[in-house]
Amino acid sequence: ETAVFQTPNYHVTQVGNEVSFNCKQTLGHDTMYWYKQDSKKLLKIMFSYNNKQLIVNETVPRRFSPQSSDKAHLNLRIKSVEPEDSAVYLCASRKLGVDTQYFGPGTRLLVL
Amino acid sequence: GDQVEQSPSALSLHEGTGSALRCNFTTTMRAVQWFRKNSRGSLINLFYLASGTKENGRLKSAFDSKERYSTLHIRDAQLEDSGTYFCAAEDMGYKLTFGTGTSLLVDP
Repeated sequence: ETAVFQTPNYHVTQVGNEVSFNCKQTLGHDTMYWYKQDSKKLLKIMFSYNNKQLIVNETVPRRFSPQSSDKAHLNLRIKSVEPEDSAVYLCASRKLGVDTQYFGPGTRLLVL
Repeated sequence: GDQVEQSPSALSLHEGTGSALRCNFTTTMRAVQWFRKNSRGSLINLFYLASGTKENGRLKSAFDSKERYSTLHIRDAQLEDSGTYFCAAEDMGYKLTFGTGTSLLVDP
């Protein structure tokens, strides 16, 4: 049963454009994450939000910024995309300190 | 930074046989999570362990924080078990670091 929702599924854009990806979780969790899956299928954490506060920022480029309106939503904005930003971006949530992270289906970005 | 070494990268099993996947950690981790990627590319939770072992059907996982490893055992493999399996280790700051995945193929 899906409980972490991501939109869009796919997005194709050109270098220099701005994009925004949405993530919503309906599990009542207090922590949400964004991961980037690179061409080698390796998942690397980008951001972590706990109760609307950024608690982890894995030195991603400044053009990336997480945006959270409440603890159920964590969006990802990329101000001016670069070709190397092409990847799958995965959103996840959990209740901090308890059990597993639950992942969304991902958003595949292609930068031309 | 934290590193997670997952092996093997690829595994081929005949239906009905079994094997084990392993993840080694370079530092002490507080927990490990195992996932399987489904046909739509979504990550499906298999196990979360802070210690010891857990079993679910034909899958069994173990985690030893002190020895810095975790295993996922598959027994009586079925065709539908084919897919990519990931381990992910959670450090003391709750950051999750993923292994590189194991591509499992079960054939008749």
